[in-house]
Amino acid sequence: GQSLEQPSEVTAVEGAIVQINCTYQTSGFYGLSWYQQHDGGAPTFLSYNALDGLEETGRFSSFLSRSDSYGYLLLQELQMKDSASYFCAAVNTGGFKTIFGAGTRLFVKA
Amino acid sequence: GAVVSQHPSWVICKSGTSVKIECRSLDFQATTMFWYRQFPKQSLMLMATSNEGSKATYEQGVEKDKFLINHASLTLSTLTVTSAHPEDSSFYICSASGSSTDTDTQYFGPGTRLTVL
Repeated sequence: GQSLEQPSEVTAVEGAIVQINCTYQTSGFYGLSWYQQHDGGAPTFLSYNALDGLEETGRFSSFLSRSDSYGYLLLQELQMKDSASYFCAAVNTGGFKTIFGAGTRLFVKA
Repeated sequence: GAVVSQHPSWVICKSGTSVKIECRSLDFQATTMFWYRQFPKQSLMLMATSNEGSKATYEQGVEKDKFLINHASLTLSTLTVTSAHPEDSSFYICSASGSSTDTDTQYFGPGTRLTVL
């Protein structure tokens, strides 16, 4: 089967750094994506890793280790507006079908 | 950037009626479109993958006769929920990828909230 595991909730304070981990078990793995979703809204794309290593995009970075079937999303200089759900998603070969994890709800406190 | 729209953004219908949701790629040709369903506080569940000009591929457990998907052009895919029932009430989201974008990046529409009374 295909599955992705990530923590259900994370709480951090404004200005801090938080890391959201994701482990995956999929067939035909191609890459790992991260999406942010605010309540009532659609997911917005944050980052994508097809190769091992760290990808940095502003305050957000994402890491992938294919040998460990593991990745993480790193959010720096947290702001209140970062409070949202974050999903890791495995992109598979064969049509680039994407399977989403259950999501991590991030609460940022003042 | 790549923009995907959905119409309507929300719809309320009576049980037993059919509802059509449109998904359009506005500035790129979407060779592949994906349809997801999301219940409150849950993850996105892939319902089906549609490629332009061919039949959609449905995920296990998704009734293809209930959720009709048509991808007749490179910019439009439609999802029709037939004989909708209250349990079909959900947030339906489409995404698209295409030859003019990074093929392994999906661009999501804003979603359609369906409420069946």
